[in-house]
Amino acid sequence: AQSVSQHNHHVILSEAASLELGCNYSYGGTVNLFWYVQYPGQHLQLLLKYFSGDPLVKGIKGFEAEFIKSKFSFNLRKPSVQWSDTAEYFCAVAILGGNKLVFGAGTILRVKS
Amino acid sequence: DAMVIQNPRYQVTQFGKPVTLSCSQTLNHNVMYWYQQKSSQAPKLLFHYYDKDFNNEADTPDNFQSRRPNTSFCFLDIRSPGLGDAAMYLCATSSRQGLNTEAFFGQGTRLTVV
Repeated sequence: AQSVSQHNHHVILSEAASLELGCNYSYGGTVNLFWYVQYPGQHLQLLLKYFSGDPLVKGIKGFEAEFIKSKFSFNLRKPSVQWSDTAEYFCAVAILGGNKLVFGAGTILRVKS
Repeated sequence: DAMVIQNPRYQVTQFGKPVTLSCSQTLNHNVMYWYQQKSSQAPKLLFHYYDKDFNNEADTPDNFQSRRPNTSFCFLDIRSPGLGDAAMYLCATSSRQGLNTEAFFGQGTRLTVV
């Protein structure tokens, strides 16, 4: 079965630290890749997406992600986190013609001020 | 200017008592999805509509039904909620089927079963 793995369930960082959240998926066909963020009490919001082209994609709020096809990975990065980045982050993969988003279990990021 | 609106935000229902969750959208999108998200787990797709065509996931229990009376509204009906159905239910929309499109999510309805 297709799956999405996020490597860490909880991450705690100090402000200004660099962030990298891992995401791997198991699906050999064409995929779209997404990172969503969910701030406390709010809905899932799209951070960034990869459809095709340049494998390094830039999103909102200084986030970026790199698609490495050979590794089936789509890791999320931010050079310097802020307290306001405290949230839960979900990696998701659209498969089977795009009608189904398969999510990872999420990573809860806490940034200490 | 909320685009995908779910009501209510919090719903408490009794074990075995039918409950309906609602979702509306102002995006005029063709596709509407319902996801179930249990605590500390990934959101899991229950079913989706493309226009009026209903697509059920193979592992969605029969206890879960859905209705889409028009483009703007979609309902999730749980016929006989059990304790295991307590979860966050997420509605999402996208403009079309296929790849290269993104989904927009509502704030979710947190269902408690007592």
